[in-house]
Amino acid sequence: NAGVMQNPRHLVRRRGQEARLRCSPMKGHSHVYWYRQLPEEGLKFMVYLQKENIIDESGMPKERFSAEFPKEGPSILRIQQVVRGDSAAYFCASSPGRGEKLFFGSGTQLSVL
Amino acid sequence: EDKVVQSPLSLVVHEGDTVTLNCSYEVTNFRSLLWYKQEKKAPTFLFMLTSSGIEKKSGRLSSILDKKELFSILNITATQTGDSAVYLCAVENSGGSNYKLTFGKGTLLTVNP
Repeated sequence: NAGVMQNPRHLVRRRGQEARLRCSPMKGHSHVYWYRQLPEEGLKFMVYLQKENIIDESGMPKERFSAEFPKEGPSILRIQQVVRGDSAAYFCASSPGRGEKLFFGSGTQLSVL
Repeated sequence: EDKVVQSPLSLVVHEGDTVTLNCSYEVTNFRSLLWYKQEKKAPTFLFMLTSSGIEKKSGRLSSILDKKELFSILNITATQTGDSAVYLCAVENSGGSNYKLTFGKGTLLTVNP
């Protein structure tokens, strides 16, 4: 039973490029959460999605960031026109239902040059 | 705003030592407190605590919650080099956003042989 799968593990982008981070939840999980961990900081909630729906995006920066979880395929966190301050570890977690225990993926380390 | 403070931020011990990690919190409508171990990959779940005074134990690790004083401790006895990791504390509120975890910055534990 595979865990939460994130790819890529490491992503390097130049300023102004786009970053796409992918997350496949655990089998049987339909709830996905994205967290960001900035250097020297704790994990911070970004967005909560169910299949085809954004439930809560209160932790997402207002511009350049978007997330989706289509009916088929992984959840995608998209960052347009990346800046150096976007460099961080982005973690995805999934759960079988709302408010149930979260299982985390290994994260994507985004580095913006 | 919910808040979690962990101490110490880092700790270096020798194999066989016992360590105590601290977590204090402020949260509206407390639901649970969780401990995770984060090595160079996914945060892995250790304990969920919901009631005061009841110790949770798993091998050499144990944890307890004090809801009156708003803190929790994580104890590790007879430490091994494999215990080296960042230990994360998080709280969950029972309000409408009960899927959001608020994390502390973590305690970096280094166990030397």
